Amino acid sequence: AQSVAQPEDQVNVAEGNPLTVKCTYSVSGNPYLFWYVQYPNRGLQFLLKYITGDNLVKGSYGFEAEFNKSQTSFHLKKPSALVSDSALYFCAYYNTNAGKSTFGDGTTLTVKP
Amino acid sequence: DVKVTQSSRYLVKRTGEKVFLECVQDMDHENMFWYRQDPGLGLRLIYFSYDVKMKEKGDIPEGYSVSREKKERFSLILESASTNQTSMYLCASTDRKYGYTFGSGTRLTVV
Repeated sequence: AQSVAQPEDQVNVAEGNPLTVKCTYSVSGNPYLFWYVQYPNRGLQFLLKYITGDNLVKGSYGFEAEFNKSQTSFHLKKPSALVSDSALYFCAYYNTNAGKSTFGDGTTLTVKP
Repeated sequence: DVKVTQSSRYLVKRTGEKVFLECVQDMDHENMFWYRQDPGLGLRLIYFSYDVKMKEKGDIPEGYSVSREKKERFSLILESASTNQTSMYLCASTDRKYGYTFGSGTRLTVV
């Protein structure tokens, strides 16, 4: 089955430090991969996507993600974390044939002052 | 700038009531979705729709139905609300290229 996995339920970093939220995928063919962020009591917001082209994708709020085909990973990164980055992050794979996405279980990012 | 609108942010209903959750998008998207989100269970797909009057069951359709009479509106119906349907409900739409656009969510409490 095609899927994405987020191996960490929780990531804690200090403000100003770099952050990484991990995502691995198991998808045949060329994957359409996405990152979303969810703040408390809100819907999910699109952060960035990889469909084709440059393996380093830049998105909203200073986030970026690197598509790594050999490691089947699509980790979300930011060079310097902010307290306001604290939220729930979801990795997702979009199945173009089925017309719908499969989401990871989410990773809670906490950035401490 | 709101593109996917869910009619209620918070809703409290009684057990056995028929509940309607409304979702409207203004992006002319064909595909629309209803998810529920519960702690520790991630996002679970209830129903989705590819076009007007079309619907497909997701992973947890039991106890729910949907209606899509117009392209922009996708309604989720709880036929007879139960306490185990207390949850956060998320509506989304997509144009298949740019990912999903989500509504702000409806937190439903069934008492």
